[in-house]
Amino acid sequence: QSVLTQPPSVSAAPGQKVTISCSGSSSNIGNRYVSWYQQLPGTAPKLLIYENNKRPSGIPDRFSGSKSGTSATLGITGLQTGDEADYYCGTWDNSLSAGVFGGGTKLTVL
Amino acid sequence: EVQLVESGGGSVQPGGSLRLSCGASGFTFSSFWMSWVRQAPGKGLEWVANIKQDGSEKYYVVSVKGRFTISRDNAKKSVYLQMNSLRAEDTAVYYCARDGEPFDCWGQGTLVTVSS
Repeated sequence: QSVLTQPPSVSAAPGQKVTISCSGSSSNIGNRYVSWYQQLPGTAPKLLIYENNKRPSGIPDRFSGSKSGTSATLGITGLQTGDEADYYCGTWDNSLSAGVFGGGTKLTVL
Repeated sequence: EVQLVESGGGSVQPGGSLRLSCGASGFTFSSFWMSWVRQAPGKGLEWVANIKQDGSEKYYVVSVKGRFTISRDNAKKSVYLQMNSLRAEDTAVYYCARDGEPFDCWGQGTLVTVSS
């Protein structure tokens, strides 16, 4: 089991909005920044959101992040078929002194 | 352009060793922590280890402690992962990542297969 908990899958129609949750604890999300990564099929992960809600240059504002307490959420609006990918949350765990990821969420755009 | 290129992957028998390398370009390598992250076939991401800018601090996931060693050579702009006593469960694509908390740049990955 992963230290951070994500739903295995989410789905929505093109143009719609979806959210992906990431649940942790006070030793990780509760006291650290959360980042989100997109992994398209057969490719390396790519940074999508950092410091809970900031987007690197080149990431469209359809992608957003938020954090509350020991949970974080990734939001994607205006879904496109090209958004079909695996999404991972990640952070550092102060108790483990280790990086931690969620188990990943597969997004299907129906 | 920021770029990371891994090498050194391959097939090895259980109990064997392998050394992965990751060469960096396009940024001041010595200013960043660096990490290795792996992904077993069909599975999610697993952080493996990281190393501070000057190599003075290193951290490992519990499952590889005592078997894997991360190191770096700032003059060569490279980070390494020495993997000993390899097990079948170490089979994965290994990614090198610039660790600015977050991992803001990733290599293309190198496949390590541990099988008899």
